[in-house]
Amino acid sequence: GAVVSQHPSRVICKSGTSVKIECRSLDFQATTMFWYRQFPKQSLMLMATSNEGSKATYEQGVEKDKFLINHASLTLSTLTVTSAHPEDSSFYICSARLAGDSYEQYFGPGTRLTVT
Amino acid sequence: GQNIDQPTEMTATEGAIVQINCTYQTSGFNGLFWYQQHAGEAPTFLSYNVLDGLEEKGRFSSFLSRSKGYSYLLLKELQMKDSASYLCAVLDSNYQLIWGAGTKLIIKP
Repeated sequence: GAVVSQHPSRVICKSGTSVKIECRSLDFQATTMFWYRQFPKQSLMLMATSNEGSKATYEQGVEKDKFLINHASLTLSTLTVTSAHPEDSSFYICSARLAGDSYEQYFGPGTRLTVT
Repeated sequence: GQNIDQPTEMTATEGAIVQINCTYQTSGFNGLFWYQQHAGEAPTFLSYNVLDGLEEKGRFSSFLSRSKGYSYLLLKELQMKDSASYLCAVLDSNYQLIWGAGTKLIIKP
């Protein structure tokens, strides 16, 4: 099946610093990638939809200047949390959708971000 | 507005059968997904229904009734490893996934 990797799996950073999370589709080309965040015991919250070669579409309430998304190739999307604050601590998950008719999303293993 | 409802938590016994229901009200419908998510891990795909009826896949089955805006996930011969959250998600008219809050399933020996 389609495999999506995410790096790093865990990161601890200090307030005010920036953190970059990578999402890669390993064995398929993903025209669309999604970034979610998930708080404990809550469902996934879509942050943005990223299409290769174009600007990401952010959901209402998500600051695009704070959560920078770059989808430079068909296999790589990055999320950079800029000037991180403790309230940004969360589980960030990316997913990728195969090019074509399938709308199934394949999820990366997630990144646990802790901002101290 | 768009809404997906599923029970917050369910408890079942190892070896038994459990049915997790999901009702939805969305702007358009292009299919319904069920995902399994273990604590601290990303969701994994279980099933996809776009036509009415039952789809069986091993111990797991998923049912859809589009006229009723209703789906269920049926888990048979429950095992301890089935303890997880089960997420219902609907693909709306814009082909965007709308997620339910998930049902935490607790399996007891």
